[in-house]
Amino acid sequence: QQKVQQSPESLTVSEGAMASLNCTFSDGTSDNFRWYRQHSGKGLEMLVSIFSDGEKEEGRFTAHLNRASLHVSLHIREPQPSDSAVYLCAVSLDTNAYKVIFGKGTHLHVLP
Amino acid sequence: NAGVIQTPRHKVTGKGQEATLWCEPISGHSAVFWYRQTIVQGLEFLTYFRNQAPIDDSGMPKERFSAQMPNQSHSTLKIQSTQPQDSAVYLCASSPGLGPLYFGAGTRLSVL
Repeated sequence: QQKVQQSPESLTVSEGAMASLNCTFSDGTSDNFRWYRQHSGKGLEMLVSIFSDGEKEEGRFTAHLNRASLHVSLHIREPQPSDSAVYLCAVSLDTNAYKVIFGKGTHLHVLP
Repeated sequence: NAGVIQTPRHKVTGKGQEATLWCEPISGHSAVFWYRQTIVQGLEFLTYFRNQAPIDDSGMPKERFSAQMPNQSHSTLKIQSTQPQDSAVYLCASSPGLGPLYFGAGTRLSVL
């Protein structure tokens, strides 16, 4: 059973400083990774998908994947107060990509 | 495109009462998912439909929870004899296939 853990649980950064979030997973055969964001009281929105080792950029959001290290990270460039939200790492097996396992999230607070 | 629509947004039930939650997926999406979200457990997979057929309900508590998708435009999650531990945010998501999940805003269920 795939296990997904995120760190830190909470992160506070100043507006404009880089924010880095981490996610580790237990099953290295997974090859379908996504980062979602959830503002308070809202549903989840997908930020970036990554399927192979390396880097994937979507606007100010960059994901880094290293499957050998069982690690995927999200870096947010020039974060703004509106980026304050819970960020969730999602992992699924390509063959069963419908069944997505989520981490418990990192609460990001961006101070103006 | 209104996105995934969930109703009601909030539901309060007494212990032992029944609760029915509704989800209208994005038109044209073939897959519909139900998740439960709590602070302690995070996002837990409940069940999944593809082309209206139930595919995997391995996350559903067997005795009191049931989900249906009678047509392509809506799905329901029914909880019989609700208990305080059922209190959570129930999220519905749809997907065009093996792509990202598009989430509704959720239904917050409070069992008194």
